[in-house]
Amino acid sequence: SQKIEQNSEALNIQEGKTATLTCNYTNYSPAYLQWYRQDPGRGPVFLLLIRENEKEKRKERLKVTFDTTLKQSLFHITASQPADSATYLCALDIDYGQNFVFGPGTRLSVLP
Amino acid sequence: IAGITQAPTSQILAAGRRMTLRCTQDMRHNAMYWYRQDLGLGLRLIHYSNTAGTTGKGEVPDGYSVSRANTDDFPLTLASAVPSQTSVYFCASSSGQGTYNEQFFGPGTRLTVL
Repeated sequence: SQKIEQNSEALNIQEGKTATLTCNYTNYSPAYLQWYRQDPGRGPVFLLLIRENEKEKRKERLKVTFDTTLKQSLFHITASQPADSATYLCALDIDYGQNFVFGPGTRLSVLP
Repeated sequence: IAGITQAPTSQILAAGRRMTLRCTQDMRHNAMYWYRQDLGLGLRLIHYSNTAGTTGKGEVPDGYSVSRANTDDFPLTLASAVPSQTSVYFCASSSGQGTYNEQFFGPGTRLTVL
């Protein structure tokens, strides 16, 4: 069966450390993978996209990797801050913009 | 209007009633989407539209219908609401150009069906 999972429902880390979130999927062949941030009571906000032929993408303190053999993406936030506390969602494009599958999300808490 | 808006913000509805959730975007995006978000299940795609005049079914389309008469608007209709349709509904849009489909989400509509 097709499935997309994120490593844990919640993750607590200390301010200044690197947060690493995991997205695993089975039986999909996505053209690309996206990461979103969602704050309570709000819609998701796009952060990064990585294509199937890319290994790594960076944007400021964010880094995403994509391993299509392992069917896994890792999302890193370096030098984390309390303002990074939010739920982070991964999403697969499984039909070139016509169908997206989202993971359940990981709620990150960065403790001061 | 800036970006993507949804109305109403929240609604309590009796089972069996008809309800239309509204979504409007001003970014001239070709593609629009409706999702529902339930605790523990994440976002699930209900319907999508690649361009005005066309629509398609997502993962959970039963009990919902959509229309796309123009580029800006993408209403979602529940013909006869049931309690299992209690959820937070998000509308999203993307340019639909090539494969770079960053989605922009609205603020959501919280719907409770009693």
